[in-house]
Amino acid sequence: EVHLAESGGGLVQPGGSLRLSCAASGFSFSKYAMTWVRQTLGQGLEWVSSIGGSGGTTYYADSVKGRFAISRDNPKNTLYLQMNSLRAEDTAVYFCAKDIGENTVTMFESWGQGTLVTVSS
Amino acid sequence: DIQMTQSPSFLSASVGDRVTITCQASQDISNSLNWYQQKPGKAPKALIFDVSNLETGVPSRFSGSGSGTHFTLTISSLQPEDFATYYCQQYDNLPRATFGPGTKVDLK
Repeated sequence: EVHLAESGGGLVQPGGSLRLSCAASGFSFSKYAMTWVRQTLGQGLEWVSSIGGSGGTTYYADSVKGRFAISRDNPKNTLYLQMNSLRAEDTAVYFCAKDIGENTVTMFESWGQGTLVTVSS
Repeated sequence: DIQMTQSPSFLSASVGDRVTITCQASQDISNSLNWYQQKPGKAPKALIFDVSNLETGVPSRFSGSGSGTHFTLTISSLQPEDFATYYCQQYDNLPRATFGPGTKVDLK
């Protein structure tokens, strides 16, 4: 059974940094693209970033490009999201999700429970 | 950028009702359209990929159709566990993904 568990969320001041982690189990981690999706409280879903199975390809939403960096450690079955220069509008629950494919963005078939990031002074 | 809209935003229905939710893309996305269900406090759950393909374990009362810019999610007979918010999501070859704003299905 696929299991994804996010961690690393918390309260951070504007301009600060945070690194999210997503521990994966129950599938061949390196064979699937992984994605971060965020959801502002009570609002809709926003795709943030995706990474191919090997880690060689990364993709970002315009709203986070240049500030966030996605990476993965395949031997450790872990996905990361380094978030820098955080803004109030980055406040959201961040979900990691497993794609159905290896190298691009298609469908997010399994999701973690999410971790809350609050950017506030 | 491709924009996604959904209608209605809110829908009140009763158990046993046939429910249809519409999703529209701002440009032709062929069949690159997925659907998710989300319950309060939970992560989204994948329902349908590429317009009409049910994810494993999704009941057959759920179905999807459409192509190009206009898509629908239909629940043939609403069950108590189906009260939730439903999101469509498109993906393109940039690649990037865009979600619709959601449709909340509530008990009448």
